Amino acid sequence: GAVVSQHPSRVICKSGTSVKIECRSLDFQATTMFWYRQFPKQSLMLMATSNEGSKATYEQGVEKDKFLINHASLTLSTLTVTSAHPEDSSFYICSAREDWEAFFGQGTRLTVV
Amino acid sequence: GDSVTQMEGPVTLSEEAFLTINCTYTATGYPSLFWYVQYPGEGLQLLLKATKADDKGSNKGFEATYRKETTSFHLEKGSVQVSDSAVYFCALSDRGYSTLTFGKGTMLLVSP
Repeated sequence: GAVVSQHPSRVICKSGTSVKIECRSLDFQATTMFWYRQFPKQSLMLMATSNEGSKATYEQGVEKDKFLINHASLTLSTLTVTSAHPEDSSFYICSAREDWEAFFGQGTRLTVV
Repeated sequence: GDSVTQMEGPVTLSEEAFLTINCTYTATGYPSLFWYVQYPGEGLQLLLKATKADDKGSNKGFEATYRKETTSFHLEKGSVQVSDSAVYFCALSDRGYSTLTFGKGTMLLVSP
């Protein structure tokens, strides 16, 4: 199947700093990518839909200015957590769709200290 | 809104035991249903799917049947292996497969 690569897999940052997470489709082009967040023992929650060449569509309750999404090419979407706080610590997962099937990255464990 | 409820884990089994992981859903339309598996350190992988009532998805010895009357999609395997140890996510999609609503995930631990 298709491969989605997410980087980094783990990151620790200080409060107030920004962190960028990359999501790449390695062997296919993805006009749409999706960003999820998972809290411990909770479901994966869709944060936003990233659209190549246009603005992302955010789910209700997700702060656009805090979670900046850029989808500048057909193979790369980035999620930047700005002015990170400890409550932003979580597991972030991206996915991209090829035909009807969704493919997922490995996830990024973000810890804000 | 849509939601998926699956049994909490961890589920601990001995090798060759029978596995059932329960999953029920609520949805406004006629969703497609999925099971994803996440092995340690890896991304989610599609395990199986079913797109309409009474469909049975199957893969690698795992099966799940789309039961509209009970709004369920329980995952089963007749004989688990140590290599099946992973986290299993039940999910649904009713927006043309674009977005998925996930359950909380169930960790399966299989011992030799």
